[in-house]
Amino acid sequence: AQTVTQSQPEMSVQEAETVTLSCTYDTSESDYYLFWYKQPPSRQMILVIRQEAYKQQNATENRFSVNFQKAAKSFSLKISDSQLGDAAMYFCAYEGRSGGGADGLTFGKGTHLIIQP
Amino acid sequence: KAGVTQTPRYLIKTRGQQVTLSCSPISGHRSVSWYQQTPGQGLQFLFEYFSETQRNKGNFPGRFSGRQFSNSRSEMNVSTLELGDSALYLCASSLGTTGLGEKLFFGSGTQLSVL
Repeated sequence: AQTVTQSQPEMSVQEAETVTLSCTYDTSESDYYLFWYKQPPSRQMILVIRQEAYKQQNATENRFSVNFQKAAKSFSLKISDSQLGDAAMYFCAYEGRSGGGADGLTFGKGTHLIIQP
Repeated sequence: KAGVTQTPRYLIKTRGQQVTLSCSPISGHRSVSWYQQTPGQGLQFLFEYFSETQRNKGNFPGRFSGRQFSNSRSEMNVSTLELGDSALYLCASSLGTTGLGEKLFFGSGTQLSVL
């Protein structure tokens, strides 16, 4: 079974600084996607960024970028110019395909990101 | 465009009862997935429906079931509730066309408490 590990239960960063959240995963599949989702206090999960395993280029979305190291099975999220609205739980997630269909997302335990004003 | 709507927001039940949760996806989305979120186990995939058919299922007992209607709205049912079923149940919708790697749009969840 695939596993996703987030080793940082909590991270704190000063507003306007840069922070990196870590994620490692374990899989024997070659066709998969990796995601970072954000869950603010409203509980509604929001997609931050998505990476296809076949693409070597790291995905970026405005202030959010990833460092995807396929051989090391590492998928970290970098948030630049942190803003108060970035405070939330961040979940790393994996989706592969076994058999004919997608397997559903496998989530890590999450990292609680605190933004210090 | 309206987002994913889950009803009810909060629910309190007692052990042994059954419960039905509802999810209305974004208009045009044909896939609905359900996830359970607990402090101990985290987020776990329950099942996914696409065009009224269960396309995938997570590792949950048969007490957990779901269905999808022709308008893509989905319901999930939990029978013979146990204390451990207390959780936030999240519904997510997507276009469903590729199946893998799609962007999921989540609702705000239904918080179920089993007493």
